[in-house]
Amino acid sequence: ETGVTQSPTHLIKTRGQQVTLRCSSQSGHNTVSWYQQALGQGPQFIFQYYREEENGRGNFPPRFSGLQFPNYSSELNVNALELDDSALYLCASSLWGRRAGDEQYFGPGTRLTVT
Amino acid sequence: GEDVEQSLFLSVREGDSSVINCTYTDSSSTYLYWYKQEPGAGLQLLTYIFSNMDMKQDQRLTVLLNKKDKHLSLRIADTQTGDSAIYFCAESYMDSNYQLIWGAGTKLIIKP
Repeated sequence: ETGVTQSPTHLIKTRGQQVTLRCSSQSGHNTVSWYQQALGQGPQFIFQYYREEENGRGNFPPRFSGLQFPNYSSELNVNALELDDSALYLCASSLWGRRAGDEQYFGPGTRLTVT
Repeated sequence: GEDVEQSLFLSVREGDSSVINCTYTDSSSTYLYWYKQEPGAGLQLLTYIFSNMDMKQDQRLTVLLNKKDKHLSLRIADTQTGDSAIYFCAESYMDSNYQLIWGAGTKLIIKP
């Protein structure tokens, strides 16, 4: 059984650029959630994907978008990067319909720095 | 409204008990969680409690829930240096499809 993996580990981008972050779910999990964790803050829910469709979204603008693939891996895309997008981006995989917390497994995150 | 609040720092001596506190505002919360985050590592679920429970114990960890005051606490007995981390309180409720709402985290500092 493999855990949740994310790539890249670190990334530096310039304001206005676009970025794609990747996540591979834990084996057997069909749901992926993305979170943004700014320095010194708790994670903020961005959105969740199930069956390749967005299912629930937090208070993030449309320039944050995602994809889920048939193998349940996922991407987070952010367009027109802003300085405030600098954060740790976490993905978490789970099985649809289960309680979020006890069956949600987090990856180590991607640290994005926007200059 | 959804809001989870925690103190930012807690300093304890090695071997003492640590008590990390959290308050939440959404009375429809179904599950409340404690996560641990160490530098460079992902979030690790420590324990959780269902909202109809008052207490849950798991080895060195004790969770207490006061629904009337919307107060959750995590007690770590015999605190060790390896317990140094940031501890997050989070809540979820069915109406939000169990999305997690997080506190800002409490940094636990262990003094020798």
